[in-house]
Amino acid sequence: GAVVSQHPSRVICKSGTSVKIECRSLDFQATTMFWYRQFPKQSLMLMATSNEGSKATYEQGVEKDKFLINHASLTLSTLTVTSAHPEDSSFYICSARTQRGRVTGELFFGEGSRLTVL
Amino acid sequence: GESVGLHLPTLSVQEGDNSIINCAYSNSASDYFIWYKQESGKGPQFIIDIRSNMDKRQGQRVTVLLNKTVKHLSLQIAATQPGDSAVYFCAETNSNTGNQFYFGTGTSLTVIP
Repeated sequence: GAVVSQHPSRVICKSGTSVKIECRSLDFQATTMFWYRQFPKQSLMLMATSNEGSKATYEQGVEKDKFLINHASLTLSTLTVTSAHPEDSSFYICSARTQRGRVTGELFFGEGSRLTVL
Repeated sequence: GESVGLHLPTLSVQEGDNSIINCAYSNSASDYFIWYKQESGKGPQFIIDIRSNMDKRQGQRVTVLLNKTVKHLSLQIAATQPGDSAVYFCAETNSNTGNQFYFGTGTSLTVIP
């Protein structure tokens, strides 16, 4: 199956710093990637839809200036958590959709990136 | 986003028994659904999907049932094994409005050896 890779898998940073998380589709081109956030023992919350070559679409309540998304190529999307604070500590997961000729492509997920802000 | 919820947050079953995990969704326009399995500290793993023009789909040891009338999904796992212990999420999307997937609350399945 398709592979989506995230890096780093774990990151610890000091409050006030910015952290970049990368999401790569390794064996397919992903025109659309999605970023999710997951708190312990909770579900995945969609943060934004990342479209290659255009601005990301953010879900209601998600600060676009706080969570910067860049989808510069068909295989790479990045999420930058700016001026991170302890409440930003969470598990961030990206996903990418394949088309493969289907009307609705299957959604593949990365392994997630655990951010801890001290 | 749409509201997708689950009836049971936790489920414990004996090894070898069948498991049924339920999910309710609120958007009647959703036309594609996926069940995911998530193990601790990992990303979700695709299990099975179903389109709204179907009411049942079978995979290897898993069956998904869709009842559009009451907006309900279920995942049936046959002969549950210890390796099936995980959190299971349903996700729904409307393929006509951007294909964003919204996830349900999740059910934690524990298989008792």
